[in-house]
Amino acid sequence: AQKITQTQPGMFVQEKEAVTLDCTYDTSDPSYGLFWYKQPSSGEMIFLIYQGSYDQQNATEGRYSLNFQKARKSANLVISASQLGDSAMYFCAMREIVRTGANSKLTFGKGITLSVRP
Amino acid sequence: GAGVSQSPSNKVTEKGKDVELRCDPISGHTALYWYRQRLGQGLEFLIYFQGNSAPDKSGLPSDRFSAERTGESVSTLTIQRTQQEDSAVYLCASSTPGVWGSGSGANVLTFGAGSRLTVL
Repeated sequence: AQKITQTQPGMFVQEKEAVTLDCTYDTSDPSYGLFWYKQPSSGEMIFLIYQGSYDQQNATEGRYSLNFQKARKSANLVISASQLGDSAMYFCAMREIVRTGANSKLTFGKGITLSVRP
Repeated sequence: GAGVSQSPSNKVTEKGKDVELRCDPISGHTALYWYRQRLGQGLEFLIYFQGNSAPDKSGLPSDRFSAERTGESVSTLTIQRTQQEDSAVYLCASSTPGVWGSGSGANVLTFGAGSRLTVL
């Protein structure tokens, strides 16, 4: 079963406007972490923001915020005041926190392409 | 080093040849991951190493793929008898160890620049 779903086609946003990138996930584990990464055309993977399943508040990092709706199993990324440099592929990912105390793998969605128009 | 280092950055090989891809993680990062990214696609998990624990090999697509890690340092991903469908960017990432009950699990993966493999 697909654990991370990103179904939006390529997204376009006008410079300086806000945009929301959708992500839904599937897990039966009560303990998990959600991540967003950005991948510009250069190919590097850049960490943007993290949300833990027990966090009471939505995560924010500068212009990035995460709209975490636990009951709906969604973790949408909101980018405010879009900039031309935000044009990239954006990936949502989840880590289920195993009980042995060790890390587990990150499972990634297929990604969303965002293009910022001047 | 300051970041995750991968080599080679580009590799072109002929079908049927073996290739080795190397990853040098950030010093002190005991967790190391390999992912594969085909053109325009998401990241596919391949294998995960954590300290001296048995690696999670659940993502390796076939027995032609294997990976080794020396202690908590360098890792090598080996693809034997390469096929054209193996063409992809192979990404390595490392992170600090996770701690159950820490309340976070937010051990962020730091990725290398990737090794682009082209199988002719």
